[in-house]
Amino acid sequence: GAGVSQTPSNKVTEKGKYVELRCDPISGHTALYWYRQSLGQGPEFLIYFQGTGAADDSGLPNDRFFAVRPEGSVSTLKIQRTERGDSAVYLCASSLQGGGTGELFFGEGSRLTVL
Amino acid sequence: QKEVEQNSGPLSVPEGAIASLNCTYSDRVSQSFFWYRQYSGKSPELIMSIYSNGDKEDGRFTAQLNKASQYVSLLIRDSQPSDSATYLCAVNSAGKSTFGDGTTLTVKP
Repeated sequence: GAGVSQTPSNKVTEKGKYVELRCDPISGHTALYWYRQSLGQGPEFLIYFQGTGAADDSGLPNDRFFAVRPEGSVSTLKIQRTERGDSAVYLCASSLQGGGTGELFFGEGSRLTVL
Repeated sequence: QKEVEQNSGPLSVPEGAIASLNCTYSDRVSQSFFWYRQYSGKSPELIMSIYSNGDKEDGRFTAQLNKASQYVSLLIRDSQPSDSATYLCAVNSAGKSTFGDGTTLTVKP
């Protein structure tokens, strides 16, 4: 497909487990973003990649969260020692270019439930 | 104070009316501004972007930006029931887009 692809669409895990969420951006989009969204709230910024490097990771809540984009395309968000408070929809978005003018195109999200 | 503030609503308008959605932001160096629509259970979808002061029209949608007042608005003319959704304001500074919590709009037939 031509859009942003996220897998898995749903993930249920137990407290303390490790989770990986994957994002495949639109082909040719250099910028990739991770957000998370809780019910009734707007998307909360986590991290933004320009190419392979993290241009801004100021939104990662703590050192349990880590994200990579080794080849400048697919990205993986990794969450260690999951907690119930990590339950949310994790949204990935890509943009043709980063900087201040980028318009975001979102995937359908990965819903994470931590029991 | 949140960086991007929106009235949570719900905002209810009759079909055919004008819906007016407002957003204020705190970061004066913000460079670009966006409105996203999010249907229940779906991901946000970009509907408007605006980069300079004034109005920008696209079909039934008009975005308005006033950087001096740090204010962005979205007008939806001839509102349709299919416009019922949550509208998210996003403000971009140095590549990072910060979202408000959205305004829920209901258009009643």
